[in-house]
Amino acid sequence: DAKTTQPPSMDCAEGRAANLPCNHSTISGNEYVYWYRQIHSQGPQYIIHGLKNNETNEMASLIITEDRKSSTLILPHATLRDTAVYYCIVKGSGNTPLVFGKGTRLSVIA
Amino acid sequence: DVKVTQSSRYLVKRTGEKVFLECVQDMDHENMFWYRQDPGLGLRLIYFSYDVKMKEKGDIPEGYSVSREKKERFSLILESASTNQTSMYLCASSLLGPGYGYTFGSGTRLTVV
Repeated sequence: DAKTTQPPSMDCAEGRAANLPCNHSTISGNEYVYWYRQIHSQGPQYIIHGLKNNETNEMASLIITEDRKSSTLILPHATLRDTAVYYCIVKGSGNTPLVFGKGTRLSVIA
Repeated sequence: DVKVTQSSRYLVKRTGEKVFLECVQDMDHENMFWYRQDPGLGLRLIYFSYDVKMKEKGDIPEGYSVSREKKERFSLILESASTNQTSMYLCASSLLGPGYGYTFGSGTRLTVV
């Protein structure tokens, strides 16, 4: 599975959009991009995933560049409860397990 | 709401004890996973299972074993607990195949003294 690169930390003002970037320049054609987050002392929570097209659900939007070498997770109106570590993971179509990196620590500030 | 339930939130055991961590899911998921999480090391995969009675080693299986006798239950066993196994243990499950997210339990914080 392709490796990902994320900034170690980011800040975002409450009520503003949080845009979390992820580079995955070695991604191959059948690999999905997954996003999870982990709020302190809890298990990781699935947010969203995509293959080629942009995706949106009730939690977030995922924007994948046309060449698929990078993506951005967008939390449209960040709240204090969105403070967490966000993980971007690239995984193939087989049944191999997710491998978590260090993620981005997002701090939402009042 | 779908759930992954881990039997204990906090556990304290003595060195040398045999420890069982239980995980139950109610979603009829084929896949189940055990991770441990330590500061500075992130989440690391210990074992996983694609089906009943099947198991695969993850990145750090040494000192652990697993059991999956029923589809909904995946047990992690520390054969002889050691202090370096003090950690947060997280269980997860998912459907088989690509494009499915994992559902994680709340974790068991194990301290070995």
